[in-house]
Amino acid sequence: AQSVTQPDIHITVSEGASLELRCNYSYGATPYLFWYVQSPGQGLQLLLKYFSGDTLVQGIKGFEAEFKRSQSSFNLRKPSVHWSDAAEYFCAVGARTGRRALTFGSGTRLQVQP
Amino acid sequence: NAGVTQTPKFQVLKTGQSMTLQCAQDMNHNSMYWYRQDPGMGLRLIYYSASEGTTDKGEVPNGYNVSRLNKREFSLRLESAAPSQTSVYFCASSKEGSGIEQFFGPGTRLTVL
Repeated sequence: AQSVTQPDIHITVSEGASLELRCNYSYGATPYLFWYVQSPGQGLQLLLKYFSGDTLVQGIKGFEAEFKRSQSSFNLRKPSVHWSDAAEYFCAVGARTGRRALTFGSGTRLQVQP
Repeated sequence: NAGVTQTPKFQVLKTGQSMTLQCAQDMNHNSMYWYRQDPGMGLRLIYYSASEGTTDKGEVPNGYNVSRLNKREFSLRLESAAPSQTSVYFCASSKEGSGIEQFFGPGTRLTVL
């Protein structure tokens, strides 16, 4: 069975600082990989996705993520964090065949200090 | 184009009561999903429907039933609510053939007393 681990429950960074959120997955092959963001009281919005090809993917709001097959990781990065980035971030994986539902990590809550 | 809509946004039930959560999408997607979100546990799949007329259990189906009424609508029913079903419920949809990127509704916050 596939699983996703986000080891950091809560991260605090200063506005303007760089950010990296970690995501590790367990899956028999290369899955589809996603990062979603959830603002308080809101639904989930897709930040970026990896299906195939270039292992560095660009997303919305200045985010990027790098797929590293050897480490089974898909870490999310942003060079300079804005106060509006404060939210909860979820990494998710999906199978390339069979049932197409996603498996989510437990999330990382990002707090941004002024 | 409203995307994925859910009703109600909030609901309080007493133990043993029943209710149906409604979900509709206007993106002509084939697949629809119900997830629940609990603190520290991310989102867990309750049921999904790969296409109109089909449904299948997810990770946590006990205590729930679903109906794929047509291509647009996918409802989730709690027949006898329990406090353990207090959660935020999200509906999502995806279009087969373009990967499995899912689009989410705004959620329903349910409290069972």
